[in-house]
Amino acid sequence: TQLLEQSPQFLSIQEGENLTVYCNSSSVFSSLQWYRQEPGEGPVLLVTVVTGGEVKKLKRLTFQFGDARKDSSLHITAAQPGDTGLYLCAGGWGDYKLSFGAGTTVTVRA
Amino acid sequence: DTGVSQNPRHKITKRGQNVTFRCDPISEHNRLYWYRQTLGQGPEFLTYFQNEAQLEKSRLLSDRFSAERPKGSFSTLEIQRTEQGDSAMYLCASSLDRFRALEAFFGQGTRLTVV
Repeated sequence: TQLLEQSPQFLSIQEGENLTVYCNSSSVFSSLQWYRQEPGEGPVLLVTVVTGGEVKKLKRLTFQFGDARKDSSLHITAAQPGDTGLYLCAGGWGDYKLSFGAGTTVTVRA
Repeated sequence: DTGVSQNPRHKITKRGQNVTFRCDPISEHNRLYWYRQTLGQGPEFLTYFQNEAQLEKSRLLSDRFSAERPKGSFSTLEIQRTEQGDSAMYLCASSLDRFRALEAFFGQGTRLTVV
C-alpha cells in the first residue's frame, strides 16, 4: 500500500513543453525526497525538502513542499528527452524509513 | 566508482532454489537499506542496518528472507525456497548518519526472476 499518491500516473509531452507532477498524502512527513528512475536502474536522488513551503530549484526542475508538509510538486520547464523517466516521491518516516509513491512515468518526445 | 554496488544485476532461478544478493554501500555511509520494487510500484522498505545492527524488518520480510551486514560493511540478502511472488527488483541503498539519513543513495538493483 502506497501512502503517497502521485499524479498523473503517465505523462507524455513534446520537447520544450512544461510539466508538473504531484505527490500527495494524508500524512505529515519529516522530509520529502524526489527521485528519478530509468528502466532497469535504481532511483537517483534529485532533491530533499524539509521545511513546509520550501521551494528548491535544480536547473530546469522546481520542487515545492506544501506548507503542511503533506504534499509536494515537481515542475519541469522546457522539458528535454533526457528528462524521460519514472519520477518517484518518497516521504520520510522517523529518521530512516522512506515511503514511496508509485511514480509518474514521464515521456518527452523529440 | 564510489556509488552503491549490487551484484548480481540479474538472477533467474527456479522456484524452490535459494538465492543470495550482495550490496556494497558507499564507504562512509553507516546506514544500509534493502527495498523491493515490483512492476508499476515504488520501492517498498524491507529492512535497515545501522553499522552491523539490523534495526528493523518489515512484515514484508517473511521467514524465508534473511539479511546480514557483517562488520558493518557489505550486506547480503538471502531468499530461501524462492517463490514466483519473490520476482522483483531488489534495491540496496545507503545513507550517512541520522542527520542525513533520509537522503538514500540507491544501487542499480538486482532483478530476480523466479521461474
